Amino acid sequence: SQTIHQWPATLVQPVGSPLSLECTVEGTSNPNLYWYRQAAGRGLQLLFYSVGIGQISSEVPQNLSASRPQDRQFILSSKKLLLSDSGFYLCAWSDQGYTEAFFGQGTRLTVV
Amino acid sequence: GNSVTQMEGPVTLSEEAFLTINCTYTATGYPSLFWYVQYPGEGLQLLLKATKADDKGSNKGFEATYRKETTSFHLEKGSVQVSDSAVYFCAPQSGNTPLVFGKGTRLSVIA
Repeated sequence: SQTIHQWPATLVQPVGSPLSLECTVEGTSNPNLYWYRQAAGRGLQLLFYSVGIGQISSEVPQNLSASRPQDRQFILSSKKLLLSDSGFYLCAWSDQGYTEAFFGQGTRLTVV
Repeated sequence: GNSVTQMEGPVTLSEEAFLTINCTYTATGYPSLFWYVQYPGEGLQLLLKATKADDKGSNKGFEATYRKETTSFHLEKGSVQVSDSAVYFCAPQSGNTPLVFGKGTRLSVIA
């Protein structure tokens, strides 16, 4: 069966520090991968998605970037965090063809 | 692109009350429709889905019917429990596009 791992579960970082969140999927190959952010009162916002290694689509211009160095690995990064980057970050995967997505447990990021 | 409108929460109900959470969507083509649930501190879980008009998705006592004529996919449950307290998200998906979510509806069920 397929599983998705996302870490860390919680993170407190100072303003201006770098960020790296990692997500890996097991039990499937060539998945679509997604990063969403959930901020208070703003619902679930799609940040990036990827249909293959090295292929990243950005939905919202911002202080973040994403990379997919391996088929089942998706990384969310920032060089310098802002207070507004605080939120709950969710990684998800789906089969090719954009069917239902399966989510990780999320990372609660607090920028102080 | 696709979009969804959900009723604003929070929705507060007593245990065993009837639940309806409204969802209307706009989408290109002929979308599949999903309801996801998010329990406190967790990621989203697929609750139910429907892939064509008049299909009824159901799971854990929840139901939603794909209404193409009204572009709606309202979520219902006949008798809610305290354990149903969560945030519920409706999402359409069509073509080569990712799921698009709205703000979600927070449900609180009190004993």
